[in-house]
Amino acid sequence: ETGVTQTPRHLVMGMTNKKSLKCEQHLGHNAMYWYKQSAKKPLELMFVYNFKEQTENNSVPSRFSPECPNSSHLFLHLHTLQPEDSALYLCASSQPTGNYGYTFGSGTRLTVV
Amino acid sequence: GQQLNQSPQSMFIQEGEDVSMNCTSSSIFNTWLWYKQDPGEGPVLLIALYKAGELTSNGRLTAQFGITRKDSFLNISASIPSDVGIYFCAGYEGSNYQLIWGAGTKLIIKP
Repeated sequence: ETGVTQTPRHLVMGMTNKKSLKCEQHLGHNAMYWYKQSAKKPLELMFVYNFKEQTENNSVPSRFSPECPNSSHLFLHLHTLQPEDSALYLCASSQPTGNYGYTFGSGTRLTVV
Repeated sequence: GQQLNQSPQSMFIQEGEDVSMNCTSSSIFNTWLWYKQDPGEGPVLLIALYKAGELTSNGRLTAQFGITRKDSFLNISASIPSDVGIYFCAGYEGSNYQLIWGAGTKLIIKP
Protein backbone atom coordinates (compact mmCIF):
# COMPACT_ATOMS: atom_id res chain seq x y z
CA GLU A 1 0.00 0.00 0.00
CA THR A 2 1.66 3.21 -1.17
CA GLY A 3 -0.84 5.70 0.20
CA VAL A 4 -2.45 6.24 -3.21
CA THR A 5 -5.45 3.98 -3.84
CA GLN A 6 -6.92 3.40 -7.28
CA THR A 7 -10.19 1.64 -8.04
CA PRO A 8 -11.08 -0.49 -9.83
CA ARG A 9 -7.88 -2.49 -10.41
CA HIS A 10 -9.26 -3.97 -13.61
CA LEU A 11 -11.98 -2.70 -15.95
CA VAL A 12 -13.38 -4.08 -19.17
CA MET A 13 -15.72 -1.77 -21.02
CA GLY A 14 -17.41 -1.58 -24.38
CA MET A 15 -16.87 1.33 -26.71
CA THR A 16 -20.30 2.78 -25.93
CA ASN A 17 -20.01 2.50 -22.14
CA LYS A 18 -19.41 5.26 -19.62
CA LYS A 19 -17.20 4.45 -16.64
CA SER A 20 -15.06 6.29 -14.11
CA LEU A 21 -11.69 5.61 -12.54
CA LYS A 22 -11.11 6.76 -8.99
CA CYS A 23 -7.95 7.79 -7.19
CA GLU A 24 -7.63 8.70 -3.51
CA GLN A 25 -4.66 9.82 -1.44
CA HIS A 26 -4.32 10.85 2.19
CA LEU A 27 -0.66 11.79 2.09
CA GLY A 28 -1.34 15.50 2.39
CA HIS A 29 -0.23 16.06 -1.20
CA ASN A 30 -1.73 18.91 -3.19
CA ALA A 31 -0.83 17.82 -6.72
CA MET A 32 -2.38 14.85 -8.50
CA TYR A 33 -1.70 13.33 -11.89
CA TRP A 34 -3.14 10.90 -14.40
CA TYR A 35 -0.70 8.90 -16.52
CA LYS A 36 -1.35 6.42 -19.31
CA GLN A 37 1.01 3.48 -19.74
CA SER A 38 0.67 1.43 -22.90
CA ALA A 39 2.71 -1.65 -23.71
CA LYS A 40 6.22 -0.82 -24.94
CA LYS A 41 5.64 2.94 -24.59
CA PRO A 42 6.91 5.47 -22.05
CA LEU A 43 4.70 6.87 -19.34
CA GLU A 44 2.39 9.48 -20.88
CA LEU A 45 1.30 12.37 -18.70
CA MET A 46 -2.39 13.11 -19.29
CA PHE A 47 -3.56 15.61 -16.68
CA VAL A 48 -2.12 17.57 -13.77
CA TYR A 49 -4.05 19.15 -10.91
CA ASN A 50 -2.50 21.54 -8.39
CA PHE A 51 -4.69 22.50 -5.44
CA LYS A 52 -7.76 21.16 -7.32
CA GLU A 53 -7.06 23.30 -10.38
CA GLN A 54 -6.16 21.66 -13.66
CA THR A 55 -2.79 23.01 -14.72
CA GLU A 56 -2.00 20.72 -17.60
CA ASN A 57 -3.88 18.81 -20.27
CA ASN A 58 -1.45 17.05 -22.55
CA SER A 59 -3.61 17.11 -25.70
CA VAL A 60 -5.78 14.33 -24.33
CA PRO A 61 -8.91 13.45 -26.37
CA SER A 62 -12.18 14.73 -24.93
CA ARG A 63 -13.43 11.17 -24.36
CA PHE A 64 -11.23 11.36 -21.22
CA SER A 65 -12.62 13.84 -18.71
CA PRO A 66 -10.84 14.44 -15.38
CA GLU A 67 -12.43 15.72 -12.20
CA CYS A 68 -10.74 16.80 -8.97
CA PRO A 69 -13.34 17.67 -6.31
CA ASN A 70 -10.69 18.12 -3.58
CA SER A 71 -6.98 17.64 -3.06
CA SER A 72 -7.46 14.04 -1.94
CA HIS A 73 -9.59 12.70 -4.78
CA LEU A 74 -9.17 12.49 -8.52
CA PHE A 75 -11.45 10.90 -11.09
CA LEU A 76 -11.08 10.05 -14.74
CA HIS A 77 -14.42 9.80 -16.54
CA LEU A 78 -14.40 7.65 -19.65
CA HIS A 79 -16.91 7.56 -22.50
CA THR A 80 -16.97 6.25 -26.06
CA LEU A 81 -13.44 4.92 -25.79
CA GLN A 82 -11.53 3.17 -28.56
CA PRO A 83 -9.65 -0.15 -28.37
CA GLU A 84 -6.35 1.75 -28.57
CA ASP A 85 -7.24 3.36 -25.24
CA SER A 86 -6.64 0.01 -23.56
CA ALA A 87 -3.74 0.57 -21.16
CA LEU A 88 -2.70 0.83 -17.53
CA TYR A 89 -3.93 4.14 -16.09
CA LEU A 90 -1.82 5.35 -13.20
CA CYS A 91 -2.67 8.01 -10.67
CA ALA A 92 0.09 9.76 -8.73
CA SER A 93 0.32 12.51 -6.15
CA SER A 94 3.05 14.82 -4.90
CA GLN A 95 3.72 18.08 -3.23
CA PRO A 96 3.31 20.77 -5.91
CA THR A 97 6.74 22.16 -5.07
CA GLY A 98 9.86 20.42 -3.93
CA ASN A 99 11.80 17.66 -5.60
CA TYR A 100 10.50 14.65 -3.71
CA GLY A 101 9.05 12.65 -6.56
CA TYR A 102 5.60 11.22 -7.07
CA THR A 103 3.77 8.48 -5.19
CA PHE A 104 1.87 6.20 -7.53
CA GLY A 105 -1.18 4.05 -7.09
CA SER A 106 -1.28 0.47 -8.38
CA GLY A 107 -3.13 1.50 -11.51
CA THR A 108 -6.31 0.47 -13.29
CA ARG A 109 -5.84 -2.01 -16.12
CA LEU A 110 -8.40 -0.89 -18.72
CA THR A 111 -9.48 -3.05 -21.64
CA VAL A 112 -11.79 -1.56 -24.25
CA VAL A 113 -13.64 -4.15 -26.32
CA GLY B 1 7.26 16.62 -24.09
CA GLN B 2 10.89 16.21 -23.10
CA GLN B 3 12.08 12.74 -22.29
CA LEU B 4 15.26 11.41 -20.76
CA ASN B 5 17.46 8.99 -22.71
CA GLN B 6 17.53 5.78 -20.73
CA SER B 7 19.58 2.73 -21.69
CA PRO B 8 19.55 -0.11 -22.20
CA GLN B 9 15.91 -0.70 -23.15
CA SER B 10 16.06 -4.23 -21.78
CA MET B 11 18.55 -6.56 -20.15
CA PHE B 12 18.67 -10.35 -19.94
CA ILE B 13 20.97 -11.39 -17.12
CA GLN B 14 21.80 -14.41 -15.00
CA GLU B 15 20.87 -14.47 -11.33
CA GLY B 16 23.81 -13.21 -9.30
CA GLU B 17 25.11 -10.86 -11.97
CA ASP B 18 25.55 -7.14 -11.47
CA VAL B 19 23.36 -4.75 -13.48
CA SER B 20 24.06 -1.23 -14.67
CA MET B 21 21.74 1.22 -16.42
CA ASN B 22 21.95 4.92 -17.08
CA CYS B 23 20.03 8.00 -18.00
CA THR B 24 21.14 11.16 -19.81
CA SER B 25 19.56 14.50 -20.55
CA SER B 26 20.38 17.37 -22.86
CA SER B 27 19.90 19.89 -20.07
CA ILE B 28 20.92 20.27 -16.44
CA PHE B 29 18.79 18.54 -13.84
CA ASN B 30 18.69 19.38 -10.13
CA THR B 31 17.19 16.09 -8.98
CA TRP B 32 17.43 12.52 -10.24
CA LEU B 33 15.08 9.77 -9.13
CA TRP B 34 15.05 6.05 -9.81
CA TYR B 35 11.81 4.06 -9.72
CA LYS B 36 10.98 0.38 -10.10
CA GLN B 37 7.71 -0.94 -11.51
CA ASP B 38 6.66 -4.52 -10.82
CA PRO B 39 4.26 -6.13 -13.30
CA GLY B 40 0.70 -4.88 -12.79
CA GLU B 41 1.72 -2.24 -10.24
CA GLY B 42 2.63 1.43 -10.22
CA PRO B 43 6.25 2.65 -10.06
CA VAL B 44 7.82 2.83 -6.60
CA LEU B 45 10.60 5.25 -5.68
CA LEU B 46 13.92 3.50 -5.01
CA ILE B 47 16.52 6.26 -4.70
CA ALA B 48 16.50 10.07 -4.84
CA LEU B 49 19.61 12.13 -5.64
CA TYR B 50 19.85 15.87 -4.99
CA LYS B 51 23.49 16.90 -5.45
CA ALA B 52 25.96 16.56 -8.30
CA GLY B 53 28.36 13.72 -7.54
CA GLU B 54 26.09 12.26 -4.86
CA LEU B 55 26.32 8.48 -4.49
CA THR B 56 23.44 6.84 -2.62
CA SER B 57 22.73 3.21 -1.79
CA ASN B 58 19.56 1.34 -0.94
CA GLY B 59 20.50 -2.25 -0.12
CA ARG B 60 22.01 -3.80 -3.24
CA LEU B 61 21.11 -0.72 -5.28
CA THR B 62 23.49 2.19 -5.80
CA ALA B 63 22.76 5.32 -7.81
CA GLN B 64 24.88 8.33 -8.67
CA PHE B 65 24.09 11.90 -9.71
CA GLY B 66 26.53 12.74 -12.51
CA ILE B 67 29.03 15.55 -12.05
CA THR B 68 27.78 17.34 -15.18
CA ARG B 69 24.21 17.16 -13.76
CA LYS B 70 23.12 15.72 -17.10
CA ASP B 71 23.26 12.05 -16.24
CA SER B 72 22.69 9.41 -13.60
CA PHE B 73 23.27 5.71 -13.29
CA LEU B 74 21.79 2.86 -11.26
CA ASN B 75 23.69 -0.29 -10.33
CA ILE B 76 22.20 -3.46 -8.88
CA SER B 77 24.65 -5.91 -7.36
CA ALA B 78 24.16 -9.69 -7.19
CA SER B 79 20.75 -9.68 -8.87
CA ILE B 80 17.99 -11.92 -7.54
CA PRO B 81 14.69 -13.03 -9.16
CA SER B 82 12.62 -10.33 -7.42
CA ASP B 83 14.71 -7.65 -9.16
CA VAL B 84 12.77 -8.26 -12.39
CA GLY B 85 10.64 -5.36 -13.50
CA ILE B 86 10.98 -2.04 -15.26
CA TYR B 87 13.34 0.58 -13.88
CA PHE B 88 12.61 4.22 -14.68
CA CYS B 89 14.80 7.24 -14.24
CA ALA B 90 13.10 10.58 -13.71
CA GLY B 91 14.24 14.07 -12.90
CA TYR B 92 13.39 17.66 -12.20
CA GLU B 93 14.81 20.35 -14.46
CA GLY B 94 15.34 23.84 -13.16
CA SER B 95 12.37 25.33 -11.37
CA ASN B 96 9.83 23.12 -13.12
CA TYR B 97 8.23 20.80 -10.57
CA GLN B 98 6.93 18.30 -13.12
CA LEU B 99 8.88 15.09 -13.41
CA ILE B 100 10.50 14.20 -16.73
CA TRP B 101 10.74 10.46 -17.37
CA GLY B 102 12.96 7.99 -19.15
CA ALA B 103 11.38 5.22 -21.24
CA GLY B 104 12.43 2.52 -18.78
CA THR B 105 14.84 -0.43 -18.65
CA LYS B 106 13.19 -3.84 -18.50
CA LEU B 107 15.19 -6.29 -16.42
CA ILE B 108 14.70 -10.00 -17.10
CA ILE B 109 16.56 -12.66 -15.18
CA LYS B 110 17.29 -15.90 -16.99
CA PRO B 111 16.51 -18.99 -14.94
